[in-house]
Amino acid sequence: GENVEQHPSTLSVQEGDSAVIKCTYSDSASNYFPWYKQELGKRPQLIIDIRSNVGEKKDQRIAVTLNKTAKHFSLHITETQPEDSAVYFCAARPFNNNDMRFGAGTRLTVKP
Amino acid sequence: NAGVTQTPKFQVLKTGQSMTLQCAQDMNHEYMSWYRQDPGMGLRLIHYSVGAGITDQGEVPNGYNVSRSTTEDFPLRLLSAAPSQTSVYFCASSYRESAGELFFGEGSRLTVL
Repeated sequence: GENVEQHPSTLSVQEGDSAVIKCTYSDSASNYFPWYKQELGKRPQLIIDIRSNVGEKKDQRIAVTLNKTAKHFSLHITETQPEDSAVYFCAARPFNNNDMRFGAGTRLTVKP
Repeated sequence: NAGVTQTPKFQVLKTGQSMTLQCAQDMNHEYMSWYRQDPGMGLRLIHYSVGAGITDQGEVPNGYNVSRSTTEDFPLRLLSAAPSQTSVYFCASSYRESAGELFFGEGSRLTVL
């Protein structure tokens, strides 16, 4: 099955700096790549997603890039704010099944 | 519109006991699933369903049963709890299997002693 690796496991940045989280996947059949944000004690919530027919997608301060050839995708957060502090999960799902695999998560801390 | 509702939020079991985690959604979603979340391991899929009467196994199905008798409900049963099943469990749903966004419940923290 699909295997998703996520780096780094922890990331600390100063407020206003950019943060980048990277994921790699193994199954070339994967065509859907979401990113979820989970605040402490809360449920995961989708913040952005990308499909395999698109190389980049932006939503205000958040962007995701996808390199299908290299099988990796990244989350970019610009002008970070303390409320961006959370655990972020990437995921990948093959087009031919429902088994969405998640990365192990990145704990992002934004220092004021 | 309550979204995805899970009960109970917290539960402590002894080894060998059985219990059911309840999950209900009021968004008329076809796809429902159960994940467990363990430190450093992300979210792992246990079982999922693409519609009433249809269920299938995910990545870590052993020790768990599910059923889907209605579109709204998708309970997760632990037949004989083991300490390795101590985890936080999330139910999630989406409009259909390929729709994309998963809507998660608030989670159920289970401790097996």
